[in-house]
Amino acid sequence: AQKITQTQPGMFVQEKEAVTLDCTYDTSDQSYGLFWYKQPSSGEMIFLIYQGSYDEQNATEGRYSLNFQKARKSANLVISASQLGDSAMYFCAMREGHRDGLTFGKGTHLIIQP
Amino acid sequence: DAGITQSPRHKVTETGTPVTLRCHQTENHRYMYWYRQDPGHGLRLIHYSYGVKDTDKGEVSDGYSVSRSKTEDFLLTLESATSSQTSVYFCAIMTANYGYTFGSGTRLTVV
Repeated sequence: AQKITQTQPGMFVQEKEAVTLDCTYDTSDQSYGLFWYKQPSSGEMIFLIYQGSYDEQNATEGRYSLNFQKARKSANLVISASQLGDSAMYFCAMREGHRDGLTFGKGTHLIIQP
Repeated sequence: DAGITQSPRHKVTETGTPVTLRCHQTENHRYMYWYRQDPGHGLRLIHYSYGVKDTDKGEVSDGYSVSRSKTEDFLLTLESATSSQTSVYFCAIMTANYGYTFGSGTRLTVV
């Protein structure tokens, strides 16, 4: 079974609209972390936001927020007021062990249209 | 910002030749990781290291070996490169508070 599932291979959104990128995860650990990364066409991996499994509040970073629903094992990324520069691949990822690397989803290709 | 550099940035090599990719960090972080990125697969963990001479396998370790003789350097070796190892390779480090910072990537083409 996939540990991280991103069900939207591609999305087209109008500029200035809000965007929700879906992510569901599968783990039996009580302690874990969820991450979102942005990868523009230039290829670098840019950290956006982090949510710990014990965090009671949803994480927010500027225009990014993470809609964390623990019981449903979902960690959707919300981008408010989308901009043309938000066009990129977006990856959801999870860390389980304290030293283990991240497990990534397959990504969502977001295209913001003017 | 954590200093992490990968070299080379691009490489073309022939099938059957050995290839070594280097990841260098400047801030003495303990944990380092190698990933490969392929279309339709996201990033997949190849190997990781939790200290000098301490390494472990990830999800897609077959055909790869790693070494870490110094804290700052984590080397990924393809002993005998195959076309299926054509990919973009990313190194990452775990920074404070369990964050991860990625290098700029190495685009490897095996012909």
